[in-house]
This record gives sequence, C-alpha cells and structure tokens, in this order.
Amino acid sequence: AQSVTQLGSHVSVSEGALVLLRCNYSSSVPPYLFWYVQYPNQGLQLLLKYTTGATLVKGINGFEAEFKKSETSFHLTKPSAHMSDAAEYFCAVSGRGTYKYIFGTGTRLKVLA
Amino acid sequence: DSGVTQTPKHLITATGQRVTLRCSPRSGDLSVYWYQQSLDQGLQFLIQYYNGEERAKGNILERFSAQQFPDLHSELNLSSLELGDSALYFCASSGTSGDTQYFGPGTRLTVL
Repeated sequence: AQSVTQLGSHVSVSEGALVLLRCNYSSSVPPYLFWYVQYPNQGLQLLLKYTTGATLVKGINGFEAEFKKSETSFHLTKPSAHMSDAAEYFCAVSGRGTYKYIFGTGTRLKVLA
Repeated sequence: DSGVTQTPKHLITATGQRVTLRCSPRSGDLSVYWYQQSLDQGLQFLIQYYNGEERAKGNILERFSAQQFPDLHSELNLSSLELGDSALYFCASSGTSGDTQYFGPGTRLTVL
C-alpha cells in the first residue's frame, strides 16, 4: 500500500525567502515520486519527478527536491520565492507496475510581498 | 499545455441526471487515467485504461463507468448524479514507460 503525507495545508513565505514544502511517503515497493503544481482554475502541471538514479532532482521554475529513502521524504524547495509561485502544490507517489498516483492533500503556498 | 484535452470545461446538471466527460490523451499515449478532485476527498484516483482495456480501479462508484475507444480517447460516464458528485474531474495520460502522467485542464461538474 502507498500513502503520502504533506505537512502543512497552508504555507506563507515572503518574496525572496526559501520555500520548503514537506512530503513524506509510505510505499511497499520502490516509489516513484512527483510534485505537481495547480494554479487557480487550472489543471496539474508536473514540476519534477524521481524514478531512479540521482536523488536530487531539479524541476521547472527553480524548484528541486531530494529523495531521502532513510527518511521516506521528498521535500520540495526553492531558494527564493517569487509572487508567481503562489499556487497549490501536490506530492504524489506511485510505483513500478502500479502507475496510479496516490496524492497528498496538497499545500497552498502564499507569497507575501 | 500538456497536450491532454478535456471537454466540456464546465457542466451544470441536476440530481439524478447522467453526464459524459470526454478526454483525449497526448498523441501516442496509450494510458488514460481519471481522477476526481473535491474539497472533502482531495485528489482521488478513479480508474485507468490502457489501450482500450481497464488496467486499474480505484475509488470509483458503481454509478460511474468509463471506457477507452480504439482512437484512444476516453469517456467517463456519471449517472444518478448526487450533490456530492460535484467536483473537478481530471484526465491524465502517460506513455509506454508509464511513470509520468500529464493532466488535462479538468471538467468542473456542478450538480444542483
């Protein structure tokens, strides 16, 4: 069975500050991990993914995430927040042979001027 | 633009009615997935089709059904609609590697 926990349903940061969105997962098979972003009234856009290989993955818009197996975590970071980063962010897990996604409950990021 | 299209964008209907949501996957993608996004349940996987065959099933109600046609587009049929079925319904598609899903813009269903 697989599950995802996103800590913090709402996160506020100042423009230019570090963004850290937390994701912990549970999986009985080697996980595939994803971060998606959803802007208001839009679909989900892939930010980045981890399947195999390098555990630090870089995505679009300056975001990156690190797969830490020992901590079962896949936290999303960005060094400097921009107003345009305000959106809802979803972490998801799937696994080889079972490609349906299990999503976390989402974290709404607010960027303060 | 993910390349996945969904129609209609918005749908307003009454309780007890039946609706059909349509999805066209990215060119070349054989897998189609359906998800429901609601305030109380979050994003929930409903069902997956691969090249016309049902591959995986999630929290899909018996009142809901789906199919994938030979041209690979998919339809999600929702019947005997209830107020609680009001939600955003997303379609996603993936290629042969299967590991990454690309989402459409969604269909917002409102049941009055």
